[in-house]
Amino acid sequence: EAGVVQSPRYKIIEKKQPVAFWCNPISGHNTLYWYRQNLGQGPELLIRYENEEAVDDSQLPKDRFSAERLKGVDSTLKIQPAELGDSAVYLCASSLYGAGEGRETQYFGPGTRLLVL
Amino acid sequence: AQKITQTQPGMFVQEKEAVTLDCTYDTSDPSYGLFWYKQPSSGEMIFLIYQGSYDQQNATEGRYSLNFQKARKSANLVISASQLGDSAMYFCAMREGGYSSASKIIFGSGTRLSIRP
Repeated sequence: EAGVVQSPRYKIIEKKQPVAFWCNPISGHNTLYWYRQNLGQGPELLIRYENEEAVDDSQLPKDRFSAERLKGVDSTLKIQPAELGDSAVYLCASSLYGAGEGRETQYFGPGTRLLVL
Repeated sequence: AQKITQTQPGMFVQEKEAVTLDCTYDTSDPSYGLFWYKQPSSGEMIFLIYQGSYDQQNATEGRYSLNFQKARKSANLVISASQLGDSAMYFCAMREGGYSSASKIIFGSGTRLSIRP
């Protein structure tokens, strides 16, 4: 079974440029998460989807970040315009809602390492 | 206030020895879940073990076990017979809010484990 797929794996852009990340979750997983992980820290949730609905986007900087999951499967996270402080690893994870109390184990993709110059 | 606290930024352990990675958490919710993830230098977050707040027994998965002390709000990870491949960052995480769309997953700051040959 294929895991969570993310692309690109690495991205280098200049500040003020736009950038987009793509994620394809594990087949059948209805919940999808985007995290940002700064160097030396744990991941921080940006947005969580249940199917195509964003159920928690409280940590998403909405002035420059946007995300979509139109058909409830794959998802895109966009930053426009990027700032120096956006340099981080962007992780996508998926899980199966309804797997049983507490069994919402998240499985992560390899991440996209973003460097903003 | 920190929800998840990992007090050991780094640890060195001799190969084949057991190691305990500390994690304390803070929640007033009676229903929550605790997770441990491993992040090697490649960057991917690998799920290791899960403990539910209502689970009566400590979780075990192969060489991994979770020492769950509910009254102390402690969920330490124990790795028996450590191997060189165990060298990585280890993150403790908590899901609180019950199994609902309001559930949040919060990660600690991690512990870097280095295994000496």
